[in-house]
Amino acid sequence: DAGVIQSPRHEVTEMGQEVTLRCKPISGHNSLFWYRQTMMRGLELLIYFNNNVPIDDSGMPEDRFSAKMPNASFSTLKIQPSEPRDSAVYFCASSLALANEQYFGPGTRLTVT
Amino acid sequence: AQKVTQAQTEISVVEKEDVTLDCVYETRDTTYYLFWYKQPPSGELVFLIRRNSFDEQNEISGRYSWNFQKSTSSFNFTITASQVVDSAVYFCALSERYNFNKFYFGSGTKLNVKP
Repeated sequence: DAGVIQSPRHEVTEMGQEVTLRCKPISGHNSLFWYRQTMMRGLELLIYFNNNVPIDDSGMPEDRFSAKMPNASFSTLKIQPSEPRDSAVYFCASSLALANEQYFGPGTRLTVT
Repeated sequence: AQKVTQAQTEISVVEKEDVTLDCVYETRDTTYYLFWYKQPPSGELVFLIRRNSFDEQNEISGRYSWNFQKSTSSFNFTITASQVVDSAVYFCALSERYNFNKFYFGSGTKLNVKP
């Protein structure tokens, strides 16, 4: 079975550019999560969706960050404009139901210069 | 306050040694879940185990075992006869009844297993 798929795996961009990260959850899972991992702050939950509806976006750092889930099999995390401090690994995860284990994608390593 | 504390930042052992990774959690909920994840050098996060607050039985899976003790709010992870492939960062996480989807991750313990 395919796991969570993320693209791109690596992204290098210049400050001020728009960045779009993509995620395809595991088929049948109804919850999707976006995390950011940095050395300084560890793993941070940015936003999560349940049945394609955003439930909690309190972790989104600023208005420059936005996320969408237009259907059950696709989600995007957009940063516009990007800044060097956004450099991190961004993970997407999905789960089948409440309190179930979350399965993580391979991550997107974002570098903003 | 930290909901999940992994006090051991980094541990180094020699292959075949047993090693225990500590996890202490804090919650007022009586219903909650605890998890362990492994992050190898390749970077992905791999789910290892989920435990609910009503099940204090220890769990064993091959060389891995978990000791859940509510009295000390701990959920420790032991690797028996460690191998080089066990080298990774291990994260403990907690989710609570009021919001099961929100995981609180610890800061992780980096395990180095040397040949």
